[in-house]
Amino acid sequence: SQQGEEDPQALSIQEGENATMNCSYKTSINNLQWYRQNSGRGLVHLILIRSNEREKHSGRLRVTLDTSKKSSSLLITASRAADTASYFCAAGMDSNYQLIWGAGTKLIIKP
Amino acid sequence: EADIYQTPRYLVIGTGKKITLECSQTMGHDKMYWYQQDPGMELHLIHYSYGVNSTEKGDLSSESTVSRIRTEHFPLTLESARPSHTSQYLCASSEYGLGGGYTFGSGTRLTVV
Repeated sequence: SQQGEEDPQALSIQEGENATMNCSYKTSINNLQWYRQNSGRGLVHLILIRSNEREKHSGRLRVTLDTSKKSSSLLITASRAADTASYFCAAGMDSNYQLIWGAGTKLIIKP
Repeated sequence: EADIYQTPRYLVIGTGKKITLECSQTMGHDKMYWYQQDPGMELHLIHYSYGVNSTEKGDLSSESTVSRIRTEHFPLTLESARPSHTSQYLCASSEYGLGGGYTFGSGTRLTVV
């Protein structure tokens, strides 16, 4: 069963602004991953943060992880129209090789 | 170039037909997965494989079957398609069990009429 939750479900901002998406999970994890999905396409892996890390950066992406609160956030700085997509978090568990997926946040960047 | 390929990209088929969705990867990944996703919704795991001759059912009850005879190939078969099977089907693979991300194919959008 799906155990990840994302907030907000949808987000619409102006180009150039920062976008923040949040993810919560219920179980013990080994890592937390974020993916992007353009409409009608497959998912693209963006960034992975391990359970012993608190913050990670990749270009305009910043991910934080708070294992005590079982939550993670994805920040996209200086957003661009090309960032318009759905963003999914996925929790990698200790017990197996599967991922528990959130329902996704639909991000719209207005030019 | 290492990648994962799904064919067909789109498929419209009549009720009762047997179909096979193809998935192949060139990265030598041991682990492969099939997900079902309705537009804009969460992913549901329907099948996975941890290696050749290893297949398991996922969380979502499915009337499909899979096989893993070769590392690079993980086809999904529907013996008798129904309108309720209309959805997008995503194939993915991963190399590291807990330490790496998944690589996804572009998906097959299936419509059963």
